[in-house]
Amino acid sequence: DSGVTQTPKHLITATGQRVTLRCSPRSGDLSVYWYQQSLDQGLQFLIQYYNGEERAKGNILERFSAQQFPDLHSELNLSSLELGDSALYFCASSVEGVAVGLGTQYFGPGTRLTVL
Amino acid sequence: TQLLEQSPQFLSIQEGENLTVYCNSSSVFSSLQWYRQEPGEGPVLLVTVVTGGEVKKLKRLTFQFGDARKDSSLHITAAQPGDTGLYLCAGAGRGNKLVFGAGTILRVKS
Repeated sequence: DSGVTQTPKHLITATGQRVTLRCSPRSGDLSVYWYQQSLDQGLQFLIQYYNGEERAKGNILERFSAQQFPDLHSELNLSSLELGDSALYFCASSVEGVAVGLGTQYFGPGTRLTVL
Repeated sequence: TQLLEQSPQFLSIQEGENLTVYCNSSSVFSSLQWYRQEPGEGPVLLVTVVTGGEVKKLKRLTFQFGDARKDSSLHITAAQPGDTGLYLCAGAGRGNKLVFGAGTILRVKS
C-alpha cells in the first residue's frame, strides 16, 4: 500500500460525458502528479500540482483539467469523453515539488476508465 | 521529443534464468528510474541512477546507467516467479517531467 488513494477504482461511462477522478496523496506529500496509461501510448505524464499550484504540464488534452485543493487532495476532470480516453489513470504523490526523477513518486492503485 | 525505448517488449523465462532489460534513448537524461508494476496496481520505484556509469544493486537486480546518460539496463540474476511484472524505465525529461518507456512484460515460470 503506497498510501495514495484513488476513487473510484472503476468507472464506466458513455461518449460525450464528463467524469471526475479523485486522488488523496500520502500524508505530508505536497506534490500530486496525474498519469494516463493505455496499451498504445504507455504511461504518459499529464499534469503536476505542488501545494495547490500547477507546476508542470505534459500531454494533457484541453478537455481535461485538474486542480489541487487546500487539503492537498486532487481531482482530474475529463469532459466530452471519447472512446480513446479509455485508460488507467494514476495519481502519484511526492514530498518535494521539484526535480522529478530524483525523488520518489508514490503511485496510487489507479482508476480504470471505460468509455462506451 | 525525448523518447525512451525499452527492449524486449515481452520476456518469458524459466525460474533460475538470468535476463537483461534495456532502456535506450538518443537524448541525455539527468537521471533515470526503474519501476515495477503488477496487475491492478500502480508502478513502484525500484531504483534511481544519476551518475553516468553508475551501477546499483538491489538483491538479485543490477541497474546500470550508461556513461553518456542515454541508456540504462536492468539485469536480474536467477529470476523467480515473484519477479513477474511490468518493468518501466523513466527519465527526468525537460520541463520537470518523467518520460516513461513502453515497458517490458516479464513472466517467470516455475
